[in-house]
Amino acid sequence: GAVVSQHPSRVICKSGTSVKIECRSLDFQATTMFWYRQFPKQSLMLMATSNEGSKATYEQGVEKDKFLINHASLTLSTLTVTSAHPEDSSFYICSAMGQGPYEQYFGPGTRLTVT
Amino acid sequence: GENVEQHPSTLSVQEGDSAVIKCTYSDSASNYFPWYKQELGKGPQLIIDIRSNVGEKKDQRIAVTLNKTAKHFSLHITETQPEDSAVYFCAATDSWGKLQFGAGTQVVVTP
Repeated sequence: GAVVSQHPSRVICKSGTSVKIECRSLDFQATTMFWYRQFPKQSLMLMATSNEGSKATYEQGVEKDKFLINHASLTLSTLTVTSAHPEDSSFYICSAMGQGPYEQYFGPGTRLTVT
Repeated sequence: GENVEQHPSTLSVQEGDSAVIKCTYSDSASNYFPWYKQELGKGPQLIIDIRSNVGEKKDQRIAVTLNKTAKHFSLHITETQPEDSAVYFCAATDSWGKLQFGAGTQVVVTP
């Protein structure tokens, strides 16, 4: 149980284009999902908290107009990187909050490369 | 806010030996402490967690201890195997219920 999927696993896009990443909880419902960003050999950096049916809350320094988050159902959250630039290249990981308080189960991540 | 420190940053052990990773946290209100294992190019995998009402928890070769007074918790891996090689992250909840992660420990198990 507690399986989270992400799609795509890797994507290459040109500078100026937008990219959408999907995060799904496969065998449980998640009212709260999280989006993280991870640079090579570094820890996870929380970008935003996504709550089903309401607006996402963003961490300080994260541009909400650049990283659009939608959590339209209890099993799906999407992150759209708008007008991507090479500095947006990174490993993006989502997580979904499980049954137990504070438990987070992570997806496999999406490697974004902006050329 | 919560601050989590993790040591060591790298840990090399011989197969069969034990590995210990230590973390400290700053927020005395933290009450949930998970440990994640991350293999190269993959997402973190929850391997064990502990809540503040428990001092120790064990799952086969993995154990976690928590000292709330000292604000530190540790991961113990016994009888290490090559497949234990990965980056391990500790985390603690902050006052908003979000996880704050340590910097990670690269564990290398040599045959």
